[in-house]
Amino acid sequence: AQSVTQLGSHVSVSEGALVLLRCNYSSSVPPYLFWYVQYPNQGLQLLLKYTSAATLVKGINGFEAEFKKSETSFHLTKPSAHMSDAAEYFCAVTPGRDNDMRFGAGTRLTVKP
Amino acid sequence: DGGITQSPKYLFRKEGQNVTLSCEQNLNHDAMYWYRQDPGQGLRLIYYSQIVNDFQKGDIAEGYSVSREKKESFPLTVTSAQKNPTAFYLCASRRLAGGAEQFFGPGTRLTVL
Repeated sequence: AQSVTQLGSHVSVSEGALVLLRCNYSSSVPPYLFWYVQYPNQGLQLLLKYTSAATLVKGINGFEAEFKKSETSFHLTKPSAHMSDAAEYFCAVTPGRDNDMRFGAGTRLTVKP
Repeated sequence: DGGITQSPKYLFRKEGQNVTLSCEQNLNHDAMYWYRQDPGQGLRLIYYSQIVNDFQKGDIAEGYSVSREKKESFPLTVTSAQKNPTAFYLCASRRLAGGAEQFFGPGTRLTVL
């Protein structure tokens, strides 16, 4: 069975600082991996996805993530945080197109002025 | 505009009442999903459906029921048997022949009084 662990339920950065949100996965087969963002009282919006093509994936709003098979990780980064990045971020995994998606517990990002 | 709509946005229920949450999509997606979100627990799968007139239980189906009479619609009923129904409910959909990502509606916040 596949699962996702997000390290750190809360992350706080200053505006302009690097954002690093950590995600480790377990999967018995090559996974598809996703990062979603959720603003308060809204649904989830897809930031980016990895589907076995390039290991460095670029997403919306300047975010990117790198798939590292040896470390079973898919960390999300952004070089310079903006106030509008404050939200909750979810990492998700599915072992293939026809299977269900499993979500991490989420990381709440706070951006300080 | 194509998308997923959920209604109502906020719902209040007295103990012992059944309530139905609406989810409609005009994306022509095959599969639809219901998740429950509680603080610090990520998303947990309640039910999903990959085809009309067929659906499968997820991890926390007890106290919930669904129907899939039309491809576009996947309503969720929260029954009086659900012991702790206060939560944020999210509906999602995806194409089975697509890239595995799910697209989410804006959510319904259910509060039991």
